[in-house]
Amino acid sequence: GDSVTQMEGPVTLSEEAFLTINCTYTATGYPSLFWYVQYPGEGLQLLLKATKADDKGSNKGFEATYRKETTSFHLEKGSVQVSDSAVYFCALSPAGGYNKLIFGAGTRLAVHP
Amino acid sequence: KAGVTQTPRYLIKTRGQQVTLSCSPISGHRSVSWYQQTPGQGLQFLFEYFSETQRNKGNFPGRFSGRQFSNSRSEMNVSTLELGDSALYLCASSSDRAKNSPLHFGNGTRLTVT
Repeated sequence: GDSVTQMEGPVTLSEEAFLTINCTYTATGYPSLFWYVQYPGEGLQLLLKATKADDKGSNKGFEATYRKETTSFHLEKGSVQVSDSAVYFCALSPAGGYNKLIFGAGTRLAVHP
Repeated sequence: KAGVTQTPRYLIKTRGQQVTLSCSPISGHRSVSWYQQTPGQGLQFLFEYFSETQRNKGNFPGRFSGRQFSNSRSEMNVSTLELGDSALYLCASSSDRAKNSPLHFGNGTRLTVT
């Protein structure tokens, strides 16, 4: 079945460091791909998405590119801030899956001043 | 605009009992999905309702059921509770106006089964 694998955390970085969180997926057809973020004490919120191969999603300085050939959707940010500390979830929506999301395990990011 | 509201925030139940959780979507949203979040299994899709019809279902036993009302509010019911049902239950709504319209999540109901 469809699945998402993302790197285990926690990831600990200093402010202004470069961030990469790896995400790979297994799916039939052409799923849509998402990154969701859960800040402390808040609900899950959509960070960015990409709906077809080679699409790049971006938001708040974060980027991820839908790579069909490597079945990957790695999250990157050039310079992290303390306020980026959160849990990040990679997810896919199967083709024709309406609003069904399959999530990865989540990666906790801690950014220190 | 009010966000997705889930009630109650916390519940404590005993094995064998049943429980009903409630979700009020963002005004105008017709799609409501439910997810279970546990430390061991992560976030897992339960089911989705759209215009009072179940449109999609995850791999959970029949003890987990749901429904959606004409005002798009949704309820989720778990019967014959087991210890393993202890989890954070999240509800998400979507306008569904376009493919992959974003899901808006509530803060969840934390269920503890003793």
